[in-house]
Amino acid sequence: DSGVTQTPKHLITATGQRVTLRCSPRSGDLSVYWYQQSLDQGLQFLIQYYNGEERAKGNILERFSAQQFPDLHSELNLSSLELGDSALYFCASSAATGTSVTDTQYFGPGTRLTVL
Amino acid sequence: GQNIDQPTEMTATEGAIVQINCTYQTSGFNGLFWYQQHAGEAPTFLSYNVLDGLEEKGRFSSFLSRSKGYSYLLLKELQMKDSASYLCAVRSDSNYQLIWGAGTKLIIKP
Repeated sequence: DSGVTQTPKHLITATGQRVTLRCSPRSGDLSVYWYQQSLDQGLQFLIQYYNGEERAKGNILERFSAQQFPDLHSELNLSSLELGDSALYFCASSAATGTSVTDTQYFGPGTRLTVL
Repeated sequence: GQNIDQPTEMTATEGAIVQINCTYQTSGFNGLFWYQQHAGEAPTFLSYNVLDGLEEKGRFSSFLSRSKGYSYLLLKELQMKDSASYLCAVRSDSNYQLIWGAGTKLIIKP
């Protein structure tokens, strides 16, 4: 158990809909990262937040947005869902901004999103 | 551009030793990570190298050569539970983000 929690574990929805995925980082971690992993594909970095502020952006679609709240939990919002958005969405957390060379990301169990 | 290469799939026998290679070309280097990921599960941290040489952690060891842009993960005394994907990730110094390889799927046969 990494200490990172994600809810829900599974989500089934229809095209065009909007969903919210939630992540709570490990106690004391200030950074949260979101990743997408489609079936048999590699991890695609979406976005990073550090202490409530957006720190870095990866290949995140305009239909997707995220935020990190004062209690450091984070939410990833996916809207106008398409069939191709079906994937595992992982949240990871780390202690710092990522600028420490020893800063390690620890992953939550993921949310499996199925768009029908 | 930034690139990480790993073999797509490898097969090994239970009890044997396997070496999974990772080569990288990135804008700068601030460490290399290995993660294990079982199918449908979260990646779990295995090892971290920032200096050249071998880091040993039980049955798993990781090696780094910064001049060659090369790392390997060595798994000894293979067990069936080691069947998983192994992900190599490099922290570049351009923005300190991790650049991920596509992963190597390791299949262990009895």
